[in-house]
Amino acid sequence: DAGVIQSPRHEVTEMGQEVTLRCKPISGHNSLFWYRQTMMRGLELLIYFNNNVPIDDSGMPEDRFSAKMPNASFSTLKIQPSEPRDSAVYFCASSRSLEGNQPQHFGDGTRLSIL
Amino acid sequence: AQSVAQPEDQVNVAEGNPLTVKCTYSVSGNPYLFWYVQYPNRGLQFLLKYITGDNLVKGSYGFEAEFNKSQTSFHLKKPSALVSDSALYFCAVRSGFKTIFGAGTRLFVKA
Repeated sequence: DAGVIQSPRHEVTEMGQEVTLRCKPISGHNSLFWYRQTMMRGLELLIYFNNNVPIDDSGMPEDRFSAKMPNASFSTLKIQPSEPRDSAVYFCASSRSLEGNQPQHFGDGTRLSIL
Repeated sequence: AQSVAQPEDQVNVAEGNPLTVKCTYSVSGNPYLFWYVQYPNRGLQFLLKYITGDNLVKGSYGFEAEFNKSQTSFHLKKPSALVSDSALYFCAVRSGFKTIFGAGTRLFVKA
């Protein structure tokens, strides 16, 4: 079975540029999560969707960050303009539902470096 | 608010020895508890979850976890460690619709 697919796996760009990260969740999963992982702050939840609708974006650090889920099989996380402090590994995860006992399935992440 | 704590940043164990990675939690109501593992340059992988009523939970790769309500703990265990078990392990608890992850414990298994 195909897992969660993220692209690109690596992104290096200069500060000020727009960055778009992409995610394809597991087919049949109704919930999608975006996380950021750094050594300093660990794993942080940025935003999550249920049935393509954003439920909670309180973890989005600034207005420079935005996320969309136009359909059940695709989501994007955009940073515009990017800054060096945005450098991190960004993970997308999906689950069957938001029910409490449903585990999340993670993609392998996008390693983002902002120069 | 729900929370989890992993008191050890790192655990070292010799191959073939039993391993334990500790986790304590704070929840109101019935807890939904999970363990995940992360290998280098990979995403988190689900290992096991606590289901109400089963104090010993079995999961992937020979791992199991012991739920102790009186000690509010959910420690991850394996009877015989493998070098390939070396990874970063996360305990997690559901809080509403969110999953709260611990800071992670790095496990080193020495041959």
